[in-house]
Amino acid sequence: AQTVTQSQPEMSVQEAETVTLSCTYDTSESDYYLFWYKQPPSRQMILVIRQEAYKQQNATENRFSVNFQKAAKSFSLKISDSQLGDAAMYFCAYRSARGGADGLTFGKGTHLIIQP
Amino acid sequence: SQTIHQWPATLVQPVGSPLSLECTVEGTSNPNLYWYRQAAGRGLQLLFYSVGIGQISSEVPQNLSASRPQDRQFILSSKKLLLSDSGFYLCAWSSSGSSSLSGANVLTFGAGSRLTVL
Repeated sequence: AQTVTQSQPEMSVQEAETVTLSCTYDTSESDYYLFWYKQPPSRQMILVIRQEAYKQQNATENRFSVNFQKAAKSFSLKISDSQLGDAAMYFCAYRSARGGADGLTFGKGTHLIIQP
Repeated sequence: SQTIHQWPATLVQPVGSPLSLECTVEGTSNPNLYWYRQAAGRGLQLLFYSVGIGQISSEVPQNLSASRPQDRQFILSSKKLLLSDSGFYLCAWSSSGSSSLSGANVLTFGAGSRLTVL
């Protein structure tokens, strides 16, 4: 079974600074997908960024980028120019690419605080 | 565009009472559907998923059950709630296509239902 570990229960960053959230995972599969989801106080889960394991290039979405290290099974999220609206819980998630309807396996989350 | 609706948003129920949470998806057909639970201070736990009408897979033995009476409707139920059933319940959908280009591997979540069992 796959597991996802987020070792930082809470992170704090000054507004406009850069922060990196860590995520490691364990799997025996070679093809899979990795995700970062954001959960603001409203509790709505919002997709931030997605990475296909077969792609070597790191995914980017505006101020959000990932550092995907497949051999190390590491998938960190970098938020540049942090904004107050980035304050939320961030969840790293894994999904197998083998087909079927497997859901996502989530880490326990990192609470990101933005200091004004 | 596709949308997902979940209700009720908030529910307070006594121990031993029944439960019904409903989720519907619009703008797509034959979606994969999921129920997750998020206990306080914890991550998300997959409870049930469904690939079609009447087809339900349970991930964790629960006091809960799920049903899919229509293609885009997914219901989470309990006959008798326990205190431990309190939590935040999220419904999600994904495309049933196999290509990553179809976004098949992205789950889109509803706004959630907060259940408090007293």
